[in-house]
Amino acid sequence: KQEVTQIPAALSVPEGENLVLNCSFTDSAIYNLQWFRQDPGKGLTSLLLIQSSQREQTSGRLNASLDKSSGRSTLYIAASQPGDSATYLCAALDSSGSRLTFGEGTQLTVNP
Amino acid sequence: GAGVSQTPSNKVTEKGKYVELRCDPISGHTALYWYRQSLGQGPEFLIYFQGTGAADDSGLPNDRFFAVRPEGSVSTLKIQRTERGDSAVYLCASSILGGRINEQFFGPGTRLTVL
Repeated sequence: KQEVTQIPAALSVPEGENLVLNCSFTDSAIYNLQWFRQDPGKGLTSLLLIQSSQREQTSGRLNASLDKSSGRSTLYIAASQPGDSATYLCAALDSSGSRLTFGEGTQLTVNP
Repeated sequence: GAGVSQTPSNKVTEKGKYVELRCDPISGHTALYWYRQSLGQGPEFLIYFQGTGAADDSGLPNDRFFAVRPEGSVSTLKIQRTERGDSAVYLCASSILGGRINEQFFGPGTRLTVL
């Protein structure tokens, strides 16, 4: 059974800092890995999707990497802004391409 | 185009009652998923539909939970004899199978509170 762990559970940083969120998964036979953002009381917004054959994906100030062999992914946020404050979730899609297994999330606060 | 929509946004019910939660996927998406998110946790998989059929319902916690997708579009999650432990946010997602590597797009969720 796939298990996904995210570290840290919470993070508070001053505006402008670069930061890294970590995600690890136990079963390397994944189809892809997605990073999501969740604002309080809202649904999930997909940020980045890394296919199993890829090493990284970039979108604006966000960069996500994937190392399947070690079961790890990182989300790098450059020049953080208060508007980045949210919970960030990573999720691994199983090899059949159907079920996402989520971590518990990292709650990020960026202070002005 | 419109994203995934879910109704109602909030549902309060009493223990023992029956509830239905509705999901309208993105038009043309063949796959539909239900997840449940408890407070402070990540979402947990419940069921996955390909077209009209449930391809994987192994995440349903017990036989009080049932979901249908009769025409391959809208889906309804049905919970019988609700219990306080069923209180959670129920999220629906859809994707194009074989599309952008099965990227799942999520709706805003239905917050269910069982008193």
